[in-house]
Amino acid sequence: SSELTQDPAVSVALGQTVRITCQGDSLRSYYASWYQQKPGQAPALVIFGKNNRPSGIPDRFSGSSSGNTASLTITGAQAEDEADYYCNSRDTSGNHQVVFGGGTKLTVL
Amino acid sequence: QVQLQQWGAGLLKPSETLSLTCAVYGGSFSGYYWSWIRQPPGKGLEWIGEINHSGSTNYNPSLKSRVTISVDTSKNQFSLKLNSVTAADTAVYYCASGSVGVITNYYFYYMDVWGRGTTVTVSS
Repeated sequence: SSELTQDPAVSVALGQTVRITCQGDSLRSYYASWYQQKPGQAPALVIFGKNNRPSGIPDRFSGSSSGNTASLTITGAQAEDEADYYCNSRDTSGNHQVVFGGGTKLTVL
Repeated sequence: QVQLQQWGAGLLKPSETLSLTCAVYGGSFSGYYWSWIRQPPGKGLEWIGEINHSGSTNYNPSLKSRVTISVDTSKNQFSLKLNSVTAADTAVYYCASGSVGVITNYYFYYMDVWGRGTTVTVSS
């Protein structure tokens, strides 16, 4: 399948922990990568591989995977974490597509 | 640190051809998948297609009939052409570098460097 499914919106109280999920058949073979996008900016990679953060990404961001579901967890959410988050992988049905989830709007209360 | 600089026409009329180019600075051009992604106003990310340094391409099936991605390795550049544009092609277009690999029987894919985006508007 070439689809990745995300909840459209999630909210978290400042300083609390939030999990954003991504479901899809391709995630049984691929680690999801996760991107943060703030208004007017290009997406920025925050998690890749099993649970890796690019340089400069705070360690409150972490990733995990189980079966067909990948999760991005923010432990101790900050106001600056309010953004859209997208998961991404490649399709495993043979057509070599790159696929994105529909995105999750995170609101920090 | 690899940087991507992209450019191209920002205003098109219906039926014209969208043409964008992305230049790669500060790193190797080989070993990566160079992608184009777009984002219509207020919507999510849509992958358009990719090319590697040898010119091998993959396209989104929904756009494949109208898309051509090419590479110029002498200039470390890759380009996007999308023909017969309509208002539905109005979007911010991004270029990005992708890496793929495998770790203990599990694959990974990610895009770690992105261009700043080009706003393309299709209007008569």
